[in-house]
Amino acid sequence: EIVLTQSPGTLSLSPGERATLSCRATQYVTSNYLAWYQQKPGQAPRLLIYGASSRASGIPDRFSGSGSGTDFTLTISRLEPEDFAVYYCQQYGTSPLTFGGGTKVEI
Amino acid sequence: EVQLVESGGGLVQPGRSLRLSCAASGFTFDDYAMHWVRHVPGKGLEWVSGISWNSASVGYADSVKGRFTISRDNAKNSLYLQMSSLRSEDTALYYCVKGYRSGWYSQGDFWGQGTLVTVSS
Repeated sequence: EIVLTQSPGTLSLSPGERATLSCRATQYVTSNYLAWYQQKPGQAPRLLIYGASSRASGIPDRFSGSGSGTDFTLTISRLEPEDFAVYYCQQYGTSPLTFGGGTKVEI
Repeated sequence: EVQLVESGGGLVQPGRSLRLSCAASGFTFDDYAMHWVRHVPGKGLEWVSGISWNSASVGYADSVKGRFTISRDNAKNSLYLQMSSLRSEDTALYYCVKGYRSGWYSQGDFWGQGTLVTVSS
């Protein structure tokens, strides 16, 4: 099974700042099938990024994904108040599909 | 508008069974794979199972393999998860998730609101 390690566990930032979240895999992620999700308290997760760098429909361009192989990054260029949430990465190229443990972005 | 409505959760004793259902609408159900993903309160997300558009291919997390069975009825636009030999560690909020493509090696682009399963004596 591919284990995804997200860092840091918690990121304390202010609105307007840049957030950089990391996701590292124990094995190569097939075809860069790596997705990022945002989850707010009491809500279902929302797809942000797929294929490591493609934005999902309706996602603002301040969200960007990069990386390949085993190292991936989610960048939020300028944090808006509504961006404070938990972010998860997921690989969907190898069975079983797996999620990282999450990064909480807090004020 | 895509809608996924889960049902069937509840309190169940260890070792017993439970069947979750997901009613889908707002998209062509039989064009897409579907998944079940669970979230333990205070912890992270765990992919549970996925099924291709035509049920020909399925996959399971190691933690549920042999105990859970995923299925779908395209005529009823419905997804199911039959859970047996339930354990306390299966306690979670279970989400029904639409896949991005027809095969289950796919990201989830729409999520339901979840149904809570509590396994306790």
